[in-house]
Amino acid sequence: GAGVSQSPSNKVTEKGKDVELRCDPISGHTALYWYRQRLGQGLEFLIYFQGNSAPDKSGLPSDRFSAERTGESVSTLTIQRTQQEDSAVYLCASSLSAGGTYEQYFGPGTRLTVT
Amino acid sequence: GESVGLHLPTLSVQEGDNSIINCAYSNSASDYFIWYKQESGKGPQFIIDIRSNMDKRQGQRVTVLLNKTVKHLSLQIAATQPGDSAVYFCAEKESGGYNKLIFGAGTRLAVHP
Repeated sequence: GAGVSQSPSNKVTEKGKDVELRCDPISGHTALYWYRQRLGQGLEFLIYFQGNSAPDKSGLPSDRFSAERTGESVSTLTIQRTQQEDSAVYLCASSLSAGGTYEQYFGPGTRLTVT
Repeated sequence: GESVGLHLPTLSVQEGDNSIINCAYSNSASDYFIWYKQESGKGPQFIIDIRSNMDKRQGQRVTVLLNKTVKHLSLQIAATQPGDSAVYFCAEKESGGYNKLIFGAGTRLAVHP
């Protein structure tokens, strides 16, 4: 079956522009997670959704970052007024539920480069 | 505090040898641990997990060992193959709460023929 998909796969943008990154989770997965991975580093938690609600936004680096989810499906991560330090791979994962220890399935990521 | 990686250490092994990748986790309240494999250009892929009430769990060619006393986790890969070349991450989940994973820094495994 289809896994988690993300688009675009690569995004190059100029400093100061806004970008939107999209995540399509596995059908039926109620939980969705966003992570950031800087070059050569581990994954940094940003935000998670259970259904359309985001109970934990503690990982968002600044108020330039926001995310939403609609229809318990697609999620978009928006970065406003991008800065060079935002350059990273943004990974999305989904799981059956955010409770317990359900496996998180990851998408291939969006590589964001801010010039 | 939460673990965020620095520059990746690299483990180089010969094809056919056994590999051991180590991870020190940060939170004594964590009760669930996972190893992920990440190949270049792809998202992390689940390999094996272990709960804190166990100290060893085996899968196909992989074994995870957990030492809660020193907060240490290891992944053993038997008969390492070129296809095992990737970056390996450990992740921990705190007891209770939701499925929030904290990832370690990662180790790059390079398998040479």
